[in-house]
Amino acid sequence: AQKVTQAQTEISVVEKEDVTLDCVYETRDTTYYLFWYKQPPSGELVFLIRRNSFDEQNEISGRYSWNFQKSTSSFNFTITASQVVDSAVYFCALSVTYRSSGSARQLTFGSGTQLTVLP
Amino acid sequence: DAEITQSPRHKITETGRQVTLACHQTWNHNNMFWYRQDLGHGLRLIHYSYGVQDTNKGEVSDGYSVSRSNTEDLPLTLESAASSQTSVYFCASSESRSIPPDTQYFGPGTRLTVL
Repeated sequence: AQKVTQAQTEISVVEKEDVTLDCVYETRDTTYYLFWYKQPPSGELVFLIRRNSFDEQNEISGRYSWNFQKSTSSFNFTITASQVVDSAVYFCALSVTYRSSGSARQLTFGSGTQLTVLP
Repeated sequence: DAEITQSPRHKITETGRQVTLACHQTWNHNNMFWYRQDLGHGLRLIHYSYGVQDTNKGEVSDGYSVSRSNTEDLPLTLESAASSQTSVYFCASSESRSIPPDTQYFGPGTRLTVL
């Protein structure tokens, strides 16, 4: 079975601070994808990034960066110089291929981390 | 622009009533999913479909049903609504044949209250 753990339920930082959101996953599959989604106060879910299990390169996109480490089964998300607009719930998710479904995959979500950035 | 829509956005109903939540996507995606979001649980999969006439149960399917008669729509039906089904419901879709595959894109959500 697959599992995603986001141990940080809530994080509060002051604007311009850096913040790291932790994500630890469990799976027996060797091929899988990891995702981060953002849910702002308006409620929609916004796709941020996808990483496959064969690519351990870290990724940077503006103020966002992601650190994928297979050795510790972690896929952590760092926001540099946080801004009030970064306040949201952030979800980490894992997808694996189910044999019965062919190539299609399902997502297993963590419980989310509520990030509050104070002005 | 292609999109995924849900209706209604808010719904209040009474225990025991049948309720149907609509999901419509214009991306022509094969795969469609229904999730519910509850505090402390993240999103949990209710039902999913990998194509027309295909439906499958997810982690929390009891009390829910879906049908897929065309590519664009996957309505979710609560046969007899219960207070435990008060939640926010999200529909999502993905395309297996895309490269890379299977990023799920979500609708805006439906907030359902069962009194």
